[in-house]
Amino acid sequence: KAGVTQTPRYLIKTRGQQVTLSCSPISGHRSVSWYQQTPGQGLQFLFEYFSETQRNKGNFPGRFSGRQFSNSRSEMNVSTLELGDSALYLCASSPRTSGSTDTQYFGPGTRLTVL
Amino acid sequence: AQSVAQPEDQVNVAEGNPLTVKCTYSVSGNPYLFWYVQYPNRGLQFLLKYITGDNLVKGSYGFEAEFNKSQTSFHLKKPSALVSDSALYFCAVRDPFMFSGGYNKLIFGAGTRLAVHP
Repeated sequence: KAGVTQTPRYLIKTRGQQVTLSCSPISGHRSVSWYQQTPGQGLQFLFEYFSETQRNKGNFPGRFSGRQFSNSRSEMNVSTLELGDSALYLCASSPRTSGSTDTQYFGPGTRLTVL
Repeated sequence: AQSVAQPEDQVNVAEGNPLTVKCTYSVSGNPYLFWYVQYPNRGLQFLLKYITGDNLVKGSYGFEAEFNKSQTSFHLKKPSALVSDSALYFCAVRDPFMFSGGYNKLIFGAGTRLAVHP
């Protein structure tokens, strides 16, 4: 099976712009979670989507949003970019079957640099 | 609040020697625990997990981890380190109550950089 894919791999934006990142989960996986990784804050949970619905959200401002499509692919959007949004954004997918003890499998990440 | 601590920023080991990367956790109830590894410019790769059962869990690439409930620890181990094991290692926990309530959120430690010297 192909792994989790994320596009683009690298992105450079300027302050005030907005950005959309894309994630395609492993085939058959229905849950997609997003994490932000920075040197200062480490790995932080952004949100999880399952069946096109946001199931959980981390402690991030409303500028961070996402969605999931019927094929389980997910996008996250960051509006009004700030310098502090520079980070590696990781997407993870899991089967999310009821009662299971899923493992989340991560993609390679999108490196966002805000200038 | 749930938390994970990795007390060592870096661990240095000679190739061929055993290695241990430490992790302690704080969650309500019985935790689900995970270890991931990250190589430069890559995402996280799953190594192993503890859900229930045997306290010694075996994973990928010869790694294993020992769950100790009384010490709330989940240390990662390998009997003989390789130079190629040099990477950043993350311990993570998922609260089972959060999971049953519909959440799928991992809480990560700060990471431990493992350096294996020839």
